[in-house]
Amino acid sequence: GAVVSQHPSRVICKSGTSVKIECRSLDFQATTMFWYRQFPKKSLMLMATSNEGSKATYEQGVEKDKFLINHASLTLSTLTVTSAHPEDSSFYICSAHGQRGTEAFFGQGTRLTVV
Amino acid sequence: AQSVTQLGSHVSVSEGALVLLRCNYSSSVPPYLFWYVQYPNQGLQLLLKYTSAATLVKGINGFEAEFKKSETSFHLTKPSAHMSDAAEYFCAVSDSSYKLIFGSGTRLLVRP
Repeated sequence: GAVVSQHPSRVICKSGTSVKIECRSLDFQATTMFWYRQFPKKSLMLMATSNEGSKATYEQGVEKDKFLINHASLTLSTLTVTSAHPEDSSFYICSAHGQRGTEAFFGQGTRLTVV
Repeated sequence: AQSVTQLGSHVSVSEGALVLLRCNYSSSVPPYLFWYVQYPNQGLQLLLKYTSAATLVKGINGFEAEFKKSETSFHLTKPSAHMSDAAEYFCAVSDSSYKLIFGSGTRLLVRP
């Protein structure tokens, strides 16, 4: 199957700093990417939909100024957690879709810890 | 609006026993349905998907699921559990927008 690479897999940052997470589709062009957040022992919550070349669409309750999403190319989307706080600590996962098919391909996830 | 309900946050089976993980969905349009598996601190791996073709869907690692429209169900089964099947399993529904709505997940425990 298609490969989606998410980097970094783990990051620890100080409160008040910003962290960027990258999601790359390695062997296909991803017209749409999704960003999810997963709390401990919980399901995945969709944060936003990222379309190449346009502004991301955020789900209700997700702060777009805090979670900046950029989808500058067909193979890369980035999520930047700005002015991070301990409550932002979570597991963030991206998924990518190509131009055909109904399957989402997921990255390996990023464990963010804000101290 | 679409939604997914997974009955049972934890399911425990003996090695070699039948695995049954339940999933019911709600959708106002013909749904696409998926089962994903997640190992600790990892992303999601697709087990199988239903996209309006055959109602009995076979996936990887011996898993299969049957789409039953009358029951709005898409339960996941495996005839014989293996220790390596221990993981978190998520059922998900999608419309044509590819946006996935996940169930709350079921942790499968396999006893030796």
